[in-house]
Amino acid sequence: DTAVSQTPKYLVTQMGNDKSIKCEQNLGHDTMYWYKQDSKKFLKIMFSYNNKELIINETVPNRFSPKSPDKAHLNLHINSLELGDSAVYFCASSLNDEKLFFGSGTQLSVL
Amino acid sequence: EDQVTQSPEALRLQEGESSSLNCSYTVSGLRGLFWYRQDPGKGPEFLFTLYSAGEEKEKERLKATLTKKESFLHITAPKPEDSATYLCAVQAWDGGTSYGKLTFGQGTILTVHP
Repeated sequence: DTAVSQTPKYLVTQMGNDKSIKCEQNLGHDTMYWYKQDSKKFLKIMFSYNNKELIINETVPNRFSPKSPDKAHLNLHINSLELGDSAVYFCASSLNDEKLFFGSGTQLSVL
Repeated sequence: EDQVTQSPEALRLQEGESSSLNCSYTVSGLRGLFWYRQDPGKGPEFLFTLYSAGEEKEKERLKATLTKKESFLHITAPKPEDSATYLCAVQAWDGGTSYGKLTFGQGTILTVHP
């Protein structure tokens, strides 16, 4: 009965590869997010979708492409992975722009 | 640009030794200030939202307070299970809603020794 679940938990890949991270929430929330946590533990928003519509698109390389097939799902596809993309990526959701519920994170390591 | 600075970066306490964590912020217009707890290998877990100066909220051994420039997370008689990274974040007003755009601080790593 996990509220916000994302897969995979760990992702190890080579530079130049393309990879995807999937996220699902069963809370009935209307907004979903991708946040990135760097090695210094700073969390920074990347994207926000409200009712499947892209609302926030921070200064993120266009190699990162989010897709929301429905209100309960938000996926993140990353093309041509670079060393600097190594981080922990968190999916989150909220209802009516209130508190965020986070998933457990995907640790991406680019070799 | 919204900014959040947390201090100290790390705090080591003995069990039962009360203390406070600080979160200083600058934001164009505060919609809410959030405290989260993050355990290793997990996502942030919501603790509190504070909306206006003077507001206080409590949960077990934790109490959060808010002024116009900073927030404190007071920990009373902590236990080893309170060990975690505590994150502070602000949400600014942005034409009515900021759709969850939180600006986070770098966190305070709290270690409570038995």
